[in-house]
Amino acid sequence: GDSVTQMEGPVTLSEEAFLTINCTYTATGYPSLFWYVQYPGEGLQLLLKATKADDKGSNKGFEATYRKETTSFHLEKGSVQVSDSAVYFCALIPNFGNEKLTFGTGTRLTIIP
Amino acid sequence: DGGITQSPKYLFRKEGQNVTLSCEQNLNHDAMYWYRQDPGQGLRLIYYSQIVNDFQKGDIAEGYSVSREKKESFPLTVTSAQKNPTAFYLCASSNNRGRGYEQYFGPGTRLTVT
Repeated sequence: GDSVTQMEGPVTLSEEAFLTINCTYTATGYPSLFWYVQYPGEGLQLLLKATKADDKGSNKGFEATYRKETTSFHLEKGSVQVSDSAVYFCALIPNFGNEKLTFGTGTRLTIIP
Repeated sequence: DGGITQSPKYLFRKEGQNVTLSCEQNLNHDAMYWYRQDPGQGLRLIYYSQIVNDFQKGDIAEGYSVSREKKESFPLTVTSAQKNPTAFYLCASSNNRGRGYEQYFGPGTRLTVT
């Protein structure tokens, strides 16, 4: 079945550091890929998405590129801020009529000033 | 403002009692979903509904029930049969149109059963 594997956390970085959170997936066909963010005590918010190979999703300084050859969708940001502290989830939806999101286990990110 | 509302934010119940969590959306989305979130386990799908008066079991449906009598509402009942009901519950909705349709999430309900 479909699955998403994220790098394990927690991840702690200093402000203005470069961020990478790895995400790889297993799926049949050509899934759509997502990164969601969850701030403490809240629901999930969509951060960015990509629907086909080589697409780059971007939002709020975060980027991720859909790499079909490596089945990856790594999240990057060039300079993190304290306000980026949250839990980040990688997820996929298969594109053959199944609307079920498959999530990774999440990566907790803490940015220290 | 369009969005998804869940109520209440915190809910406390005694073991053996059924409890119903509310989820309402005014986004005119066809599909709605319920997820359960436990620490370190990501989100797991409980039930989903693609259209009014129809719903399907997700990966962990045992001990839960749902109804979808109106497009905007998808309440979840946690029954006494659910062996470990304490968790954070998230409701979501989506349009199910085209490729890469994202799901929009509510703020969640934290249920504690003692």
